[in-house]
Amino acid sequence: AQSVSQHNHHVILSEAASLELGCNYSYGGTVNLFWYVQYPGQHLQLLLKYFSGDPLVKGIKGFEAEFIKSKFSFNLRKPSVQWSDTAEYFCAVNALLTGGGNKLTFGTGTQLKVEL
Amino acid sequence: DTEVTQTPKHLVMGMTNKKSLKCEQHMGHRAMYWYKQKAKKPPELMFVYSYEKLSINESVPSRFSPECPNSSLLNLHLHALQPEDSALYLCASSQEVRLREQYFGPGTRLTVT
Repeated sequence: AQSVSQHNHHVILSEAASLELGCNYSYGGTVNLFWYVQYPGQHLQLLLKYFSGDPLVKGIKGFEAEFIKSKFSFNLRKPSVQWSDTAEYFCAVNALLTGGGNKLTFGTGTQLKVEL
Repeated sequence: DTEVTQTPKHLVMGMTNKKSLKCEQHMGHRAMYWYKQKAKKPPELMFVYSYEKLSINESVPSRFSPECPNSSLLNLHLHALQPEDSALYLCASSQEVRLREQYFGPGTRLTVT
């Protein structure tokens, strides 16, 4: 079964600081990778996704992530955070199941707080 | 339009009640999902429907009963729930069950008293 680990549970940054959130997954087969964001009081939104091709993917609101297959990692980055980036960030792995179908597994999440 | 809608937004029910959660999408997606999210935790998969047929049940207790009346609608029937079932219940949809991105609804906040 696949698993996803996020190393940072709580991150506090000042505005304009750079952000990197770590994500590692464990699964030997074909996977697609995602970052979702959950702003306070709002529903989960897709931030970016990786299916294949260029391992550096760009998402909404200036976020990007790099897939490093050899490290089973999919870290999220943003050069300069804003107060409005305060939210919970979830890394997720969608993997094919041996019995058919697929399953989206989430990491434990990282609570990001950006201070003015 | 990437909207998944869920009703009701909030639900309080007793342990002997029967209630239903509803989910709707009009994106033409053929896969729909139910997740359970406890406070400060990630969403956990409960059920997957593919082309209106149940394809995955993650060992969910029978007091939760999913139903997919058509390709746009997904219901979750609740009966004899326990207080520990209190959580945010999320519905999601995707084009099909093949590693595609999933779009989530706002959820129903369920409290079991």
